[in-house]
Amino acid sequence: EVQVLESGGGLVQPGGSLRLSCVASGFTFSSYAMGWIRQAPGRGPEWVSVISGSGESTYYADSVKGRFTISRDNSKNTLYLQMNSLRAEDTALYFCAKNVHISCYSPFGSWGQGTLVTVSS
Amino acid sequence: DIVMTQSPDSLAVSLGERATINCKSSQSVLYSSNNKNYLAWYQQKPGQPPKLLISWASTRESGVPDRFSGSGSGTDFTLTISSLQAEDVAVYYCQQCYSTPQTFGQGTKLEIK
Repeated sequence: EVQVLESGGGLVQPGGSLRLSCVASGFTFSSYAMGWIRQAPGRGPEWVSVISGSGESTYYADSVKGRFTISRDNSKNTLYLQMNSLRAEDTALYFCAKNVHISCYSPFGSWGQGTLVTVSS
Repeated sequence: DIVMTQSPDSLAVSLGERATINCKSSQSVLYSSNNKNYLAWYQQKPGQPPKLLISWASTRESGVPDRFSGSGSGTDFTLTISSLQAEDVAVYYCQQCYSTPQTFGQGTKLEIK
């Protein structure tokens, strides 16, 4: 059974940093692209970032480019999102998701339950 | 960026009746080299993550009831629920994965009439 489990969320002050982690199981991790999607309270999902199976290709939403960094450790079946210079508008539930394909250009077939990030003073 | 616009924003349908949700992209999401539409549909129930229902505009995911179907090509797409069941109450989103950023529609809230 495919499982992805996020962790690392919490309360952080504006300008602060957080590192989200996502541990995956039930599939060959390196064979699939992985992504982060966030959802602010009462809003729809917002695509944040995606990384190829090898980790060589990464893509970001304009709203996080230059502040967030996606990475993966295929030896640990773990996906990361380093978030710096956090803003109030980054407050959301952050989902880790497995793409249905090795390509970054594919839908998200399996999602975690999310980890909540709150940016507030 | 490709803008995804869904209609209607909300929809109330009687049990057993057909529900139709539309999604329009601001530019084509059809990749000509493989003739695939890079369009997905998700269902989200309260307190749960989105669940992938349909990939490539019309390919139903494993385990998704066959009352759910997707159609369309290029810029205009439709999700149809042929006979609404109580468990189908949810918000439905379309998403394009043709180009980054891979944008979602604003969502359509489906309720029972």
